[in-house]
Amino acid sequence: DTGVSQDPRHKITKRGQNVTFRCDPISEHNRLYWYRQTLGQGPEFLTYFQNEAQLEKSRLLSDRFSAERPKGSFSTLEIQRTEQGDSAMYLCASSLTAENEKLFFGSGTQLSVL
Amino acid sequence: AQSVAQPEDQVNVAEGNPLTVKCTYSVSGNPYLFWYVQYPNRGLQFLLKYITGDNLVKGSYGFEAEFNKSQTSFHLKKPSALVSDSALYFCAVRDMGSGYSTLTFGKGTMLLVSP
Repeated sequence: DTGVSQDPRHKITKRGQNVTFRCDPISEHNRLYWYRQTLGQGPEFLTYFQNEAQLEKSRLLSDRFSAERPKGSFSTLEIQRTEQGDSAMYLCASSLTAENEKLFFGSGTQLSVL
Repeated sequence: AQSVAQPEDQVNVAEGNPLTVKCTYSVSGNPYLFWYVQYPNRGLQFLLKYITGDNLVKGSYGFEAEFNKSQTSFHLKKPSALVSDSALYFCAVRDMGSGYSTLTFGKGTMLLVSP
């Protein structure tokens, strides 16, 4: 169990640029979640995959946000035309089953939009 | 919608003393409740969960939580705090969407244990 890994750890970008983050879940976990965490707040759910199927994306913050999990393994989260309000920690989590809801989180990608 | 509230931004306790981190919940149906901990530069880690059964749930690192249905609370407790317990603690509730479930988190409580 190597844990959930996220890359990069930090990303600094200029407003209007596109950014992409990668998440590698624990290998046998078929469920993958993206969350966003801002200072002083708990993680906020964004989207969810079961294998390669994105089963929930209505909670993505705007149409500038998109996520993929093309082969049911790693996932990417893209933010187009970044805005300063997008600055946050983006967390990825994976789990083996939904009912258990024991999520394993990565360390996150800290995005700073200048 | 399901929600949890953590009324304290910060809890301070001396090492060796008991600690309590408070959480109240608002759910429709049976609550599925969780505690997670976040250490600096680390991902959130699962501590414990309440699904059903015994109201006192034991978890990792000597932590336990008491489920109280009448008070809609799920407070995290530890009999004797350690300096290494200093971290950010999140209460969470399972939130059922259409065909999926995920967790809705509180805003977190910073626990500071002094030597």
